[in-house]
Amino acid sequence: IAGITQAPTSQILAAGRRMTLRCTQDMRHNAMYWYRQDLGLGLRLIHYSNTAGTTGKGEVPDGYSVSRANTDDFPLTLASAVPSQTSVYFCASSEEASGANVLTFGAGSRLTVL
Amino acid sequence: GQNIDQPTEMTATEGAIVQINCTYQTSGFNGLFWYQQHAGEAPTFLSYNVLDGLEEKGRFSSFLSRSKGYSYLLLKELQMKDSASYLCAVNDDYKLSFGAGTTVTVRA
Repeated sequence: IAGITQAPTSQILAAGRRMTLRCTQDMRHNAMYWYRQDLGLGLRLIHYSNTAGTTGKGEVPDGYSVSRANTDDFPLTLASAVPSQTSVYFCASSEEASGANVLTFGAGSRLTVL
Repeated sequence: GQNIDQPTEMTATEGAIVQINCTYQTSGFNGLFWYQQHAGEAPTFLSYNVLDGLEEKGRFSSFLSRSKGYSYLLLKELQMKDSASYLCAVNDDYKLSFGAGTTVTVRA
């Protein structure tokens, strides 16, 4: 089934540890995004990539890094996790970075930082 | 910056109609989207408006007024499965900014 796969589904992490959330899509979409979703705040964009080899900062990029070595994969790394990064993380993709870009979301990764 | 406002919660009865309003103030505008998100699941696409007016898709309709920075999502003939959060999102510079979402509860 075509779509987006995120891993892990859920993770509990000690503060200060490094963590990479994986995201893979098989739709050959050019654009990919990472959002975090917190109660009362909605989805906030962390980083994005309009095409393989390029990345950009979203609304809340501090403490996170991404890479886009190929079309399919867009991992999100927390270099040194802090409790405020406890959240549900959604990876998404769209065919192009355009006005009518309908996002397809992965199932999410629930991260708890203690 | 982005400012997208929508009510936090709404409750309605099965078979009724509910209208979820969304107002926005964004630095750019390339279209407005509505997504549905059931509890514990990923958001899924409902509708897209880029021109003023009403877009109808089955029981769901979405309206846009660009001059007023205003949109609404209309859910007709409510069913229990429509209980979910509804997210208003604005495409600004080809990236989506989301409102906090409106949780709709449908009662029997």
